Amino acid sequence: KAGVTQTPRYLIKTRGQQVTLSCSPISGHRSVSWYQQTPGQGLQFLFEYFSETQRNKGNFPGRFSGRQFSNSRSEMNVSTLELGDSALYLCASSISAIAGELFFGEGSRLTVL
Amino acid sequence: AQRVTQPEKLLSVFKGAPVELKCNYSYSGSPELFWYVQYSRQRLQLLLRHISRESIKGFTADLNKGETSFHLKKPFAQEEDSAMYYCALTITGTASKLTFGTGTRLQVTL
Repeated sequence: KAGVTQTPRYLIKTRGQQVTLSCSPISGHRSVSWYQQTPGQGLQFLFEYFSETQRNKGNFPGRFSGRQFSNSRSEMNVSTLELGDSALYLCASSISAIAGELFFGEGSRLTVL
Repeated sequence: AQRVTQPEKLLSVFKGAPVELKCNYSYSGSPELFWYVQYSRQRLQLLLRHISRESIKGFTADLNKGETSFHLKKPFAQEEDSAMYYCALTITGTASKLTFGTGTRLQVTL
């Protein structure tokens, strides 16, 4: 079956702009979580959605937001971009809301100039 | 707050040598521990989790609550084991909210 799909794979933005990243989970997976990966901070949890509800949120400013649609697809948005937002944004899906294996996408690499 | 520590950024071993990737965690409750691996040009993927207590690709990891450790071990390293390894922790009720360590790059040389 198809894996987790993230679009776009690469994008370049300038400071102050906003960006929307998309994630299509594996068919049948209802939980989608987002992570930010940077060389300095490593992998950091952003938020998790299950059945269109945000279940958990990491320690990121309110500029970072997300949502999940009824088909389990998810988007995350970053407004008023800062240079420090440059990172690889990874989406992961899992079949249920209880702890289990996460299936990761290839990521969306955001560069903020 | 929970924390995962992987003290080594790079571990270089010869083929056939034993491997031990260290992972220590701090959490006062009962965590769930995982090892994720990323091979070159591949996605991050689950290698093993402590609840399943299984051996995957020859790797095992035992949760030691007394030492708050979850070291990953393999008796004989293979070239194909070269990858980035991440230890991760989650706590009850926060299913997909993983706290990752900074990762250890394992390099297996001939």
